[in-house]
Amino acid sequence: EPEVTQTPSHQVTQMGQEVILRCVPISNHLYFYWYRQILGQKVEFLVSFYNNEISEKSEIFDDQFSVERPDGSNFTLKIRSTKLEDSAMYFCASRNDRATEAFFGQGTRLTVV
Amino acid sequence: TQLLEQSPQFLSIQEGENLTVYCNSSSVFSSLQWYRQEPGEGPVLLVTVVTGGEVKKLKRLTFQFGDARKDSSLHITAAQPGDTGLYLCAGDGSWGKLQFGAGTQVVVTP
Repeated sequence: EPEVTQTPSHQVTQMGQEVILRCVPISNHLYFYWYRQILGQKVEFLVSFYNNEISEKSEIFDDQFSVERPDGSNFTLKIRSTKLEDSAMYFCASRNDRATEAFFGQGTRLTVV
Repeated sequence: TQLLEQSPQFLSIQEGENLTVYCNSSSVFSSLQWYRQEPGEGPVLLVTVVTGGEVKKLKRLTFQFGDARKDSSLHITAAQPGDTGLYLCAGDGSWGKLQFGAGTQVVVTP
């Protein structure tokens, strides 16, 4: 069964460092998303991406964040200068179109120290 | 922002009992999805409800979408320990983004 895969599963980084979280969405999907979940809190939307550009972003997704689809398969989230409060689970999701189900990856646990 | 309120926050029951989890909003959603999440893992899709009044069954799980498409419920019949998990509802927004509720933690003890 097709699935969304994310790497790494766990990343520890020092405050101020750049991190890149990687995702391989399901191959025929067209809409891609990043969400995050701070420990004990709800899953929050960060950004949606369609047709090689950001279609919508939340207030959380400030200038420190960027997304890219560098080739036909990968979808990355970059945090330029990590802060302690960026520590969270980051989930990638993809959909075939806006009206179908969203499938989530297993997540990357980011720990900023 | 469309808010989704889930209740109760926590539910602990014995194996064999029934339970219902609620998801409510003041906003109308085009569709609503239910997920289950295990600790340290991503949400796993259970079902999508689209039509007002729709009822969907998934083995012992019954999902209902309110007539006005503002609320939904998940009913589990004869719960088993394997049903333990965090149940999340999420409403569809623009560009297919999902607005999640805070979840209901269900614990089923043998």
